[in-house]
Amino acid sequence: DQQVKQNSPSLSVQEGRISILNCDYTNSMFDYFLWYKKYPAEGPTFLISISSIKDKNEDGRFTVFLNKSAKHLSLHIVPSQPGDSAVYFCAAPRSNYKLTFGKGTLLTVNP
Amino acid sequence: GAVVSQHPSWVICKSGTSVKIECRSLDFQATTMFWYRQFPKQSLMLMATSNEGSKATYEQGVEKDKFLINHASLTLSTLTVTSAHPEDSSFYICSVKQGAGNQPQHFGDGTRLSIL
Repeated sequence: DQQVKQNSPSLSVQEGRISILNCDYTNSMFDYFLWYKKYPAEGPTFLISISSIKDKNEDGRFTVFLNKSAKHLSLHIVPSQPGDSAVYFCAAPRSNYKLTFGKGTLLTVNP
Repeated sequence: GAVVSQHPSWVICKSGTSVKIECRSLDFQATTMFWYRQFPKQSLMLMATSNEGSKATYEQGVEKDKFLINHASLTLSTLTVTSAHPEDSSFYICSVKQGAGNQPQHFGDGTRLSIL
């Protein structure tokens, strides 16, 4: 059962424009969500998180939005830069902080 | 700087060999570490939770006798893939959660294991 879903395997954006990465979840018990960025042959790097008591969290160029009623969250990157090209994973902890990951979205930012 | 150090980064060995992977928490003591595995073009899947001073807890479908975990100190957990076979070839990554409550997990750089 894929409790965290990223339905877009890839996204291509022009440099300077906004990148919007989407994530859906099925488990209504999730109360904390994280976004990670991953380059090939490296471990994931934490980007930003959001608690379910909020609907928005912003950190520099990165903003995460949470819509609890729709069980949907999104990561906005603006402006997008070529160095942002990577695989982005949405994740949520279940019991004992065990992370469940989506399948990831490959973001390509074109110069 | 790095919060979690994982070693080695790449291992190539023959079928039947046992391989040990180390995961070190550099900045803080970690009573709990996590081990994940990622197959090509797949998501990260949790294998087990490593608990300092006690037995690891394994996710369903993960063989505890195949993947031995030792967490002997607050800064080091090891994963040993015993009698590795080609189907064990994967990218193994450890993580550490900082602090109590909902906090991000920080990941090592992973170990690429290739079994010939």
